[in-house]
Amino acid sequence: GAGVSQTPSNKVTEKGKYVELRCDPISGHTALYWYRQSLGQGPEFLIYFQGTGAADDSGLPNDRFFAVRPEGSVSTLKIQRTERGDSAVYLCASSPTSLKYNEQFFGPGTRLTVL
Amino acid sequence: SQQGEEDPQALSIQEGENATMNCSYKTSINNLQWYRQNSGRGLVHLILIRSNEREKHSGRLRVTLDTSKKSSSLLITASRAADTASYFCATVSMNRDDKIIFGKGTRLHILP
Repeated sequence: GAGVSQTPSNKVTEKGKYVELRCDPISGHTALYWYRQSLGQGPEFLIYFQGTGAADDSGLPNDRFFAVRPEGSVSTLKIQRTERGDSAVYLCASSPTSLKYNEQFFGPGTRLTVL
Repeated sequence: SQQGEEDPQALSIQEGENATMNCSYKTSINNLQWYRQNSGRGLVHLILIRSNEREKHSGRLRVTLDTSKKSSSLLITASRAADTASYFCATVSMNRDDKIIFGKGTRLHILP
């Protein structure tokens, strides 16, 4: 079956612009996670959805970052007024239910470059 | 914040040798998971070990967990060139089983 997909695979934008990053989780997975990864670092937690609701958004760095999952499936990470420091690989992962029992399945990531 | 800390940060070994990576963490966990990442893109899950387990095997992989020392190790036996990747440990907290925290990873390079 299909794994987690993310689009676009690469995004180059100019400072100050708005970007949207999309994640299609594995069908039936209720849990969805967004991470940001900088070079040489591990994935940094941003936000977690259980169904349609954001169960934990404590990792979002500031109010320029926002994510939605309106129908409990596809999720979009939105970044307003992008800054050069936002450049990173943004990873999405999904899990059947809780991490108490399951691993995460990761997408290939979106490499965001802010010029 | 990153809870898991892998050691070493980088490791180069000859093909055929065994590779051992260690992970230390700080808080009580529900489970600990190891992931592999090639070329800085998507991570692939390797093994999940629960807090009441001490050792787990999967093919050439062996994971141990010592909750008294808050540490885990990943052993890859008979390494191959294809094992070249970054390896991350990640912990799921006992109190927050909806969140997983990754370490900075060990970069493993297998020399031909």
